[in-house]
Amino acid sequence: DGGITQSPKYLFRKEGQNVTLSCEQNLNHDAMYWYRQDPGQGLRLIYYSQIVNDFQKGDIAEGYSVSREKKESFPLTVTSAQKNPTAFYLCASSPIDRAEETQYFGPGTRLLVL
Amino acid sequence: AQSVAQPEDQVNVAEGNPLTVKCTYSVSGNPYLFWYVQYPNRGLQFLLKYITGDNLVKGSYGFEAEFNKSQTSFHLKKPSALVSDSALYFCAVRGNGPGSQGNLIFGKGTKLSVKP
Repeated sequence: DGGITQSPKYLFRKEGQNVTLSCEQNLNHDAMYWYRQDPGQGLRLIYYSQIVNDFQKGDIAEGYSVSREKKESFPLTVTSAQKNPTAFYLCASSPIDRAEETQYFGPGTRLLVL
Repeated sequence: AQSVAQPEDQVNVAEGNPLTVKCTYSVSGNPYLFWYVQYPNRGLQFLLKYITGDNLVKGSYGFEAEFNKSQTSFHLKKPSALVSDSALYFCAVRGNGPGSQGNLIFGKGTKLSVKP
């Protein structure tokens, strides 16, 4: 899992609650990504950031928000508007956002709804 | 539309036998192809990628993959499987055509089971 850390490992959300997942990297990468993994569906892109103070919606951004105030940090907030948040969330980074660049993944956070 | 297909949900192989995990793709522009492996409750680990050049790409842990442009395939192979290779394998593709920013497209994954 290299130089990407995600916390917590498990997170429990109550109905109507916003929760924030942490992602930190010490690889000096410009680009960072958030994916959602559901059983049998592969990974789907939620948000990505090509550079500090900039981010773009991915395929399933509704109910999520992000910020990129520091190069090494890209936190994801799962808002109460996300009606089906139970999933495994993976953060990734790459040197720059180009098609040929490898994305490296963190260990993941599993979000469960109480 | 960009897409990746992994036609087999599960592949079963005996230890010591060769293994193949299949992947086909559709992208705009030139394809950049990746294989990742995931162990239970862990993140994805990068195995190998095809960017350009030799169609046979060698990667980590003895894995290799062959890019076939005419068949739009990028199958993962290993000459002799190990029990420790048992995991979930993901193929991913990204084109360099319009609309590809940030967009690494993943297949649904293939569970590889290697029996002693």
